[in-house]
Amino acid sequence: QQQVKQSPQSLIVQKGGISIINCAYENTAFDYFPWYQQFPGKGPALLIAIRPDVSEKKEGRFTISFNKSAKQFSLHIMDSQPGDSATYFCAVYGGTYKYIFGTGTRLKVLA
Amino acid sequence: EAGVAQSPRYKIIEKRQSVAFWCNPISGHATLYWYQQILGQGPKLLIQFQNNGVVDDSQLPKDRFSAERLKGVDSTLKIQPAKLEDSAVYLCASSLDLTGLAKNIQYFGAGTRLSVL
Repeated sequence: QQQVKQSPQSLIVQKGGISIINCAYENTAFDYFPWYQQFPGKGPALLIAIRPDVSEKKEGRFTISFNKSAKQFSLHIMDSQPGDSATYFCAVYGGTYKYIFGTGTRLKVLA
Repeated sequence: EAGVAQSPRYKIIEKRQSVAFWCNPISGHATLYWYQQILGQGPKLLIQFQNNGVVDDSQLPKDRFSAERLKGVDSTLKIQPAKLEDSAVYLCASSLDLTGLAKNIQYFGAGTRLSVL
């Protein structure tokens, strides 16, 4: 039962480019949508999160765009840097008080 | 502020052996989570505690996995007996409380990488 679909599986972007990762969910009971960044050998760390009452949230170079009617949300990384190379996970939360994670996107930013 | 501590970092065992993982959450965090992360996949929740009570263990293979959080602080996750498909990283996370509010950020430990041969 896949409640969160994440794409693409992997992404290669040139330094300074824009990285875009997408997630789609099924259950309208979810009310908190975080993105996590994970480096090799480390646990995931919260990057940015959004609630469904806003359509966009920006923190530095990272932006979440949220489309409630389409049940989709995306992460945009502006001016991508080699240090952004990591695996990114979207997640959903709500209803049953537990987080459900997407399958992850491995981002590589070329110098 | 100290982060979520997990030990050991790595463990190699043979199938049918037993293994235990330990987690010490951030001080004051009431909610503790154990996740299984198979290579190339997202974390999958195994069990979630609120203080020393279980909130959700619907995805815990209870015939071989067990977990406890006796005093509402640190926690152990045990696998007995292990199978090849249990090879994964076991992540512990904690948050202040259950609700997905901005203040209740979920913090992860570095995980224990288990290899079952």
